[in-house]
Amino acid sequence: SQKIEQNSEALNIQEGKTATLTCNYTNYSPAYLQWYRQDPGRGPVFLLLIRENEKEKRKERLKVTFDTTLKQSLFHITASQPADSATYLCAPPDSSYKLIFGSGTRLLVRP
Amino acid sequence: NAGVTQTPKFRVLKTGQSMTLLCAQDMNHEYMYWYRQDPGMGLRLIHYSVGEGTTAKGEVPDGYNVSRLKKQNFLLGLESAAPSQTSVYFCASSRDLTYNEQFFGPGTRLTVL
Repeated sequence: SQKIEQNSEALNIQEGKTATLTCNYTNYSPAYLQWYRQDPGRGPVFLLLIRENEKEKRKERLKVTFDTTLKQSLFHITASQPADSATYLCAPPDSSYKLIFGSGTRLLVRP
Repeated sequence: NAGVTQTPKFRVLKTGQSMTLLCAQDMNHEYMYWYRQDPGMGLRLIHYSVGEGTTAKGEVPDGYNVSRLKKQNFLLGLESAAPSQTSVYFCASSRDLTYNEQFFGPGTRLTVL
């Protein structure tokens, strides 16, 4: 079955550093992948979508890569700030294009 | 624009009681979804709708029913609540199914005693 894996351990980094979050998928090849941000007690908010033919996508301090050979997407936040502290979810679609959400990785940025 | 709204925000039920969660969107989106989110697990799709008057089962549909009588509203019903349905429920909508971001509501925290 299609499986999405994100590091369940929180990532704790110093302000100003680059945060890198990993999303691995197995048993299929999604046509694209989305990343969402979720703050405590709130619904997820869409950040970026990257297609299988795109190696990299950028939006301000955010960068997403998509390696279809490794079956992995990396999510980077450069010059991280305490306000970036949140849980980040990756979500590729399944074979019928319904999103499958990973369990998320919590990011903590220390001032 | 309010985006996606959900009512109620919190609810406590006793086992066997019934309730309906309401989701409303003002973006004229065709697609609407109901998810549940449990600790340590990703969002899991309960039911979804591809347009007014249509509904379909998601990954975890058992124990839930839905209706989409109006394009802007998507209702999730629990006919006989069970403790296993204690969760946070999120509604979402999107303009299309593929290559489209989903817009989420603020969630409903449901506890079944």
